[in-house]
Amino acid sequence: EIVLTQSPGTLSLSPGERATLSCRASQGVSSAYLAWYQQKPGQAPSLLIFAASRRATGIPDRFSGSGSGTDFTLSISRLEPEDFAVYYCHQYGTSPITFGQGTRLEI
Amino acid sequence: QVTLRESGPALVKPTQTLTLTCTFSGFSLSTSGMCVSWIRQTPGKALEWLARIDWDDDRFYSPSLRTRLNISKGTSKNQVVLTMTNMGPVDTATYFCVRINSGLWDSWGQGAPVTVSS
Repeated sequence: EIVLTQSPGTLSLSPGERATLSCRASQGVSSAYLAWYQQKPGQAPSLLIFAASRRATGIPDRFSGSGSGTDFTLSISRLEPEDFAVYYCHQYGTSPITFGQGTRLEI
Repeated sequence: QVTLRESGPALVKPTQTLTLTCTFSGFSLSTSGMCVSWIRQTPGKALEWLARIDWDDDRFYSPSLRTRLNISKGTSKNQVVLTMTNMGPVDTATYFCVRINSGLWDSWGQGAPVTVSS
């Protein structure tokens, strides 16, 4: 199975700063099938980015995704207070479908 | 508006079978390209894919759990049912159902917490 390793495990930043989250795959992932989710306490994950770089409906443009092959990145250009949460990457192109272990973005 | 809601027992005993129901609205599982998956999230927050059922009734399972899982469309057209046999403490998790629309995992239910304990 494809193992997704996210780094860092925890990222401590302040509102207004830029966040860069990494997701590295153990083997190549088609960009068409790489997504990022945001999860806040007590809630389900919510889709942010799909196909590596496409924002889901209603997602502000401060969120952007990039990458290909085995290295993918989620960037948040100017952190808002509501952005502090846990972020997961997800590959859904190769069975079994797998998720990264998450990056906690904290103030 | 698409909504999904998981329901089932909050507590099961070891060796019992868990049955979870996903009741959804705002879409039809008969529409080409529509699928529903089950995912679980452990107390440590790891996400694990369990199973998927497609509009044409194709079914797919996690290789590591295949022998314990069954996913099916419910008797009601807007339901998907997941059963997991021989439950153990390691299966304690929150179970989510997710709509997949033409490959896009775009809507999640709120989750159903399940504890396995005697």
